[in-house]
Amino acid sequence: DAKTTQPNSMESNEEEPVHLPCNHSTISGTDYIHWYRQLPSQGPEYVIHGLTSNVNNRMASLAIAEDRKSSTLILHRATLRDAAVYYCILISGTYKYIFGTGTRLKVLA
Amino acid sequence: GAVVSQHPSRVICKSGTSVKIECRSLDFQATTMFWYRQFPKQSLMLMATSNEGSKATYEQGVEKDKFLINHASLTLSTLTVTSAHPEDSSFYICSARGRNSNQPQHFGDGTRLSIL
Repeated sequence: DAKTTQPNSMESNEEEPVHLPCNHSTISGTDYIHWYRQLPSQGPEYVIHGLTSNVNNRMASLAIAEDRKSSTLILHRATLRDAAVYYCILISGTYKYIFGTGTRLKVLA
Repeated sequence: GAVVSQHPSRVICKSGTSVKIECRSLDFQATTMFWYRQFPKQSLMLMATSNEGSKATYEQGVEKDKFLINHASLTLSTLTVTSAHPEDSSFYICSARGRNSNQPQHFGDGTRLSIL
């Protein structure tokens, strides 16, 4: 399974946009890019996913590099409720989720 | 959206007890369910994958006789931690997915297991 690399932690001010990067240089052509987030003492929550094109939903946007070796999750206006660990996961034909260490996002009031 | 319910949310029991955790998909048919374990300050670790009506596939290093998984219907999977010991204390999380393997998995809210 292809691996992902994310910064351990990031900080953002409330009401400002946040860009969370993910590197996946060994991604294969059929791997989907999924993003989840986990609040304390809860299970992961689905955020967004994509294959090649950029994606938008009510929670966030996903920008995928043209070579697909990296992607960025964009929270347009961070709130205190967005403080969580964000995981970038590649989904291949095995469909198993291999969680990396994720990025712990701290939102400052 | 899709909902996965996990029960109980917290269990505290004595060493040697067997504990059963239930995972239900409430509004879709879960052909595949997954069980994870998460220790404090660490990421989720996949323990096993179960498909409805067949035996679970365990990840390397996970004892299948210790962690019994049953996926008898399209909406219910159970994980039984047999003869639990303090080192089995952890946060156990299930997830479920429908027939399309590229669609997102939906996670339960986890079960915090504490063995005294």
